[in-house]
Amino acid sequence: EVQLVESGGAVVQPGGSLRLSCAASGFTFDDYTVHWVRQAPGKGLEWVSLIRFDGGSTDYADSVKGRFTISRDNSKNSLYLQMNSLRAEDTALYYCAKDIGSGSGSYTFDHWGQGTLVTVSS
Amino acid sequence: EIVMTQSPATLSVSPGERATLSCRASQSVSSNLGWYQQKPGQAPRLLIYGAYARATGIPARFSGSGSGTEFTLTISSLQSEDFAIYYCQQYDNWPLTFGGGTKVEIK
Repeated sequence: EVQLVESGGAVVQPGGSLRLSCAASGFTFDDYTVHWVRQAPGKGLEWVSLIRFDGGSTDYADSVKGRFTISRDNSKNSLYLQMNSLRAEDTALYYCAKDIGSGSGSYTFDHWGQGTLVTVSS
Repeated sequence: EIVMTQSPATLSVSPGERATLSCRASQSVSSNLGWYQQKPGQAPRLLIYGAYARATGIPARFSGSGSGTEFTLTISSLQSEDFAIYYCQQYDNWPLTFGGGTKVEIK
């Protein structure tokens, strides 16, 4: 069974930093592109970032480019999101999501974690 | 950025009735369109990808259609567990974008 378990969410002040983690199991992690998708309280879904199966390439939403860094450790079946210069508008539930397609990805999300909450507030 | 517009925002349907949800893209996304269901307090669940292919384990009452800029998700006979928010997502172009959602509520 595919499982994705996020951790690291917290309350942080504007301008602060946070590192999110996602532990994956139940599939061959290093075969798949993985993503971060966020959802502000009471709002819709926003794709944040992806990293391809081998960590060779990444992509980001404009809203986080230059502030967030996605990475993975295939030896630990883990995905990370380093979040710097946090803003109030980054407040959201952050989901780790597995791409449906192996290799470079198909950019649809067939498994999701339960999310970890990031609150940016003074 | 491709803007995805879903309509209606809220759909009131009686159990057993048919529900038709629409999703429109601001430019063509070919068939690179997915649909997700989200219930309160839960993560989204993939229903449809490639505009019409059902994801693993999704009941046949869910069907997707369309291509280009106009897409439809149809739930043929609504069950109690289908009352939720539904999102479309395009993956034809960067950045990946979602629609604002359609809430399907009990009439």
